[in-house]
Amino acid sequence: ILNVEQSPQSLHVQEGDSTNFTCSFPSSNFYALHWYRWETAKSPEALFVMTLNGDEKKKGRISATLNTKEGYSYLYIKGSQPEDSATYLCASSGGFKTIFGAGTRLFVKA
Amino acid sequence: DTEVTQTPKHLVMGMTNKKSLKCEQHMGHRAMYWYKQKAKKPPELMFVYSYEKLSINESVPSRFSPECPNSSLLNLHLHALQPEDSALYLCASSRGVDGELFFGEGSRLTVL
Repeated sequence: ILNVEQSPQSLHVQEGDSTNFTCSFPSSNFYALHWYRWETAKSPEALFVMTLNGDEKKKGRISATLNTKEGYSYLYIKGSQPEDSATYLCASSGGFKTIFGAGTRLFVKA
Repeated sequence: DTEVTQTPKHLVMGMTNKKSLKCEQHMGHRAMYWYKQKAKKPPELMFVYSYEKLSINESVPSRFSPECPNSSLLNLHLHALQPEDSALYLCASSRGVDGELFFGEGSRLTVL
């Protein structure tokens, strides 16, 4: 893997559904894995920054895991709400560079 | 409310114009970044400044010229741009390189 890849590109769920996204990243020059939430017409905001293999972080209904050996991270949202609708960006940092994936666009229908 | 302020929010310029994008933060962060983002594409890293020195230039064309006058300010000078340079330009800062990024809301640039 040479780039940061995210899947799916977009996701439509119903309010109350739980969902998860995947981020794959190159293992070379790795320092940290970031997740950002980006609402339309606002600035991206950090959700999590993880550095250690096996790291798990949680903020309310959102959690993330990190596997640095195989180069992937999962973001989970439990009981999605309409206000969770946003683009979720994953980024890998190392060697002075933070490189982003294209994001997963989440739409939560009430 | 973002603590990174970008101006202007929108800019329309011709290919012969000279303009600048500005970014300001007062969080004491020592690393500042410019990213370019086109629709449905990842934000692309352009420049990284660390302690007011240019650390990374991702082979950006010389028609984009960054400047870091002090630790709080980051400018992007634009000259002789092409229509394909139309994009959202995001500024970010962090305490140190590789750390959590704090973003501005971006400057939407249209080149006619």
